Amino acid sequence: DSGVTQTPKHLITATGQRVTLRCSPRSGDLSVYWYQQSLDQGLQFLIQYYNGEERAKGNILERFSAQQFPDLHSELNLSSLELGDSALYFCASSPGPTSNQPQHFGDGTRLSIL
Amino acid sequence: QQQVKQSPQSLIVQKGGIPIINCAYENTAFDYFPWYQQFPGKGPALLIAIRPDVSEKKEGRFTISFNKSAKQFSLHIMDSQPGDSATYFCAAGSGGSNYKLTFGKGTLLTVNP
Repeated sequence: DSGVTQTPKHLITATGQRVTLRCSPRSGDLSVYWYQQSLDQGLQFLIQYYNGEERAKGNILERFSAQQFPDLHSELNLSSLELGDSALYFCASSPGPTSNQPQHFGDGTRLSIL
Repeated sequence: QQQVKQSPQSLIVQKGGIPIINCAYENTAFDYFPWYQQFPGKGPALLIAIRPDVSEKKEGRFTISFNKSAKQFSLHIMDSQPGDSATYFCAAGSGGSNYKLTFGKGTLLTVNP
């Protein structure tokens, strides 16, 4: 058990809809990262929050947004969903803001767009 | 320049064999090199990590070898078991403010009984 909790485990929805994925980091970790994993693209970094502030952005679409709340949990919002958004979405957490610290991953949310 | 190249894409070994997975990077700002193990339906699990001040690190049956001058690092799995069958990802991170943890594309390891 990594200590990172993601809900829900599975989401099935239709094109054009909006969904929210939730992540609770490991106790004591201030950074939360979101990744997308698809078969042909590997692990793609989307966005990082550190102690409530956006820290880094990766290949995140404008239709996607995230935030980190005062209790440090984070939500990833995906809107105007397209078939190509079907993927595994992972959250990871680490103690500090930089990428040279251990990141621990949750078990992901599998998003299926019909 | 932030790419990490991982090989091979897939690997099949017999039980007891020593699979070796290799990664190479370009950017000398990287100073943290973890390996992750991922089983189907699960998130990547941090397996072992190394920093450039050492050339080798062992944890149980897993060993990282690091060659700073060649900018390469590799994962060796001693006495591999069928339960080690998984996808393995190398990655590289940095203390610099503009660097994200950069992953290789993964190696699918199959250990036959």
